[in-house]
Amino acid sequence: DAGVTQSPTHLIKTRGQHVTLRCSPISGHKSVSWYQQVLGQGPQFIFQYYEKEERGRGNFPDRFSARQFPNYSSELNVNALLLGDSALYLCASSLFAQNTEAFFGQGTRLTVV
Amino acid sequence: GQNIDQPTEMTATEGAIVQINCTYQTSGFNGLFWYQQHAGEAPTFLSYNVLDGLEEKGRFSSFLSRSKGYSYLLLKELQMKDSASYLCAVRGGRSNDYKLSFGAGTTVTVRA
Repeated sequence: DAGVTQSPTHLIKTRGQHVTLRCSPISGHKSVSWYQQVLGQGPQFIFQYYEKEERGRGNFPDRFSARQFPNYSSELNVNALLLGDSALYLCASSLFAQNTEAFFGQGTRLTVV
Repeated sequence: GQNIDQPTEMTATEGAIVQINCTYQTSGFNGLFWYQQHAGEAPTFLSYNVLDGLEEKGRFSSFLSRSKGYSYLLLKELQMKDSASYLCAVRGGRSNDYKLSFGAGTTVTVRA
């Protein structure tokens, strides 16, 4: 049984470019959340989607956007990349929006040069 | 907002016990989670507390006091593979979109 899968695993982009990160939740899970983890810090909440609707947004600029598809997979988009966007981007899947457990994917390591 | 504090680093000997404390101040509370994260990997779920008291799961136990805004994770019979970062996270209430807010993590180093 597949867990949370994210793609790509690693990515190098240039400042000013755009990036799209993808996440497939555990089968049957309807909620997907995105987190940014900078080296040495805990994950910071970016977005939560449940049943294809945005349920929460963290303190990130409008350059960050996301969506959830009918099959519950999700994309995180970041425009006009900055060096400071370099981080591990984690996707977490849970059955409901306020479920007890959130299962994380392996993450996408984004490096902006 | 959410404010979650935990020690930066802890070192212990193989076979020993280590207790990682976490204090929090949050707007709304819907559970406290502990995750283990090895370097370069995703966090893995360890425990969940929503009511006061101790939850035991094998070598790992987690305690919660909601009135004190305090939790700890107890790791017993430490093994070398337990060397990792341990993240304390609080799930907010409905007004906070039930989001998970994480502490910066406690790096535990187990020595032989």
